[in-house]
Amino acid sequence: DGGITQSPKYLFRKEGQNVTLSCEQNLNHDAMYWYRQDPGQGLRLIYYSQIVNDFQKGDIAEGYSVSREKKESFPLTVTSAQKNPTAFYLCASSDGSGQPQHFGDGTRLSIL
Amino acid sequence: DQQVKQNSPSLSVQEGRISILNCDYTNSMFDYFLWYKKYPAEGPTFLISISSIKDKNEDGRFTVFLNKSAKHLSLHIVPSQPGDSAVYFCAASAGDWPGANNLFFGTGTRLTVIP
Repeated sequence: DGGITQSPKYLFRKEGQNVTLSCEQNLNHDAMYWYRQDPGQGLRLIYYSQIVNDFQKGDIAEGYSVSREKKESFPLTVTSAQKNPTAFYLCASSDGSGQPQHFGDGTRLSIL
Repeated sequence: DQQVKQNSPSLSVQEGRISILNCDYTNSMFDYFLWYKKYPAEGPTFLISISSIKDKNEDGRFTVFLNKSAKHLSLHIVPSQPGDSAVYFCAASAGDWPGANNLFFGTGTRLTVIP
């Protein structure tokens, strides 16, 4: 069954720590995206990658980093430089056949 | 600056009636507009899209209307069902297909369908 898997579903971080959110897809999609959702707001783009070993900053990339070493995986690291990391993080992917972006079920990150 | 706006944070409709969700945008370069449905603690699920060269797209109970001159689109759900209760996000993209490039999202409208 194809889809996007984000893990963990809930994540807690102490201030000053980096934390990595996992996103894996078995849809054979070339492009992958990371969005952030805050209460009462729409999704905002953090980073995206159109192809392996290449990625671009989105609107709110400060304090985040990504890697795209494999087509299936696009992990997001929330660094200690991100001042307001508490949010719901969503990963998405898309291919080049005219289909819309598919989303995972998200990871909720909270600061202890 | 918010390029896609949903000015109604919530909407309540009786089961069987029509639900109309509205969305406005500012960027005339958008090529596609999409509607996503989201349940709590889940990712958004794609519902329907429309190309900027069309003014209407229909899929079962869901119809999206686009008014380019007004930079406005709307999603009609007829008839509304209790299972339609969710948050609906309007999104827009500038690209060759609906999933191309990054999406710009509105803030969402929470639809409640009352049985």
